[in-house]
Amino acid sequence: DAKTTQPPSMDCAEGRAANLPCNHSTISGNEYVYWYRQIHSQGPQYIIHGLKNNETNEMASLIITEDRKSSTLILPHATLRDTAVYYCIYTGTASKLTFGTGTRLQVTL
Amino acid sequence: GAVVSQHPSWVICKSGTSVKIECRSLDFQATTMFWYRQFPKQSLMLMATSNEGSKATYEQGVEKDKFLINHASLTLSTLTVTSAHPEDSSFYICSAIQGANTEAFFGQGTRLTVV
Repeated sequence: DAKTTQPPSMDCAEGRAANLPCNHSTISGNEYVYWYRQIHSQGPQYIIHGLKNNETNEMASLIITEDRKSSTLILPHATLRDTAVYYCIYTGTASKLTFGTGTRLQVTL
Repeated sequence: GAVVSQHPSWVICKSGTSVKIECRSLDFQATTMFWYRQFPKQSLMLMATSNEGSKATYEQGVEKDKFLINHASLTLSTLTVTSAHPEDSSFYICSAIQGANTEAFFGQGTRLTVV
């Protein structure tokens, strides 16, 4: 796994969309982008992953640029319970994950 | 998603004693489990990779004789911190996968405090 770049922190008002960016300029063709989040004092929670197409599930949407050098995780209607550290990881081996420092998202009233 | 459970959630032990942490996949068979450690205000650091029925693979700098890993079945891996010292106090987290290139599911973590 190699390094991704994420802003250290972001704020979002409750009910608004939270857009979390991630740069992964050295990603190679067979590597997936994974997003996990960690709420304080808990284990990480899987959110979503993708290769090159945009993905959506019940938690979030993942937008991957055409050159695959960056992506954005979108939480469409953030709630206070979405306050967490969000990790963007890319890997060809989905199971062995190297965590960076992530983005600390603070959702406020 | 799949459920991974760790036990205990927290433990306090005396310096010099050993502590065992269990990681179980509750509703799937885990071919591989991973053990991480997380110090306060830091990210998760991979300690070792554990495959059922074989020896664990440790990351550089992790003492295999201090952190004993046993993966005796497809649903259970254990991490034993031997001769624990205060500097071993940390948040230990496991993850498990069903097969190669599938997403990893994490346990809730175990907070170890050595006094």
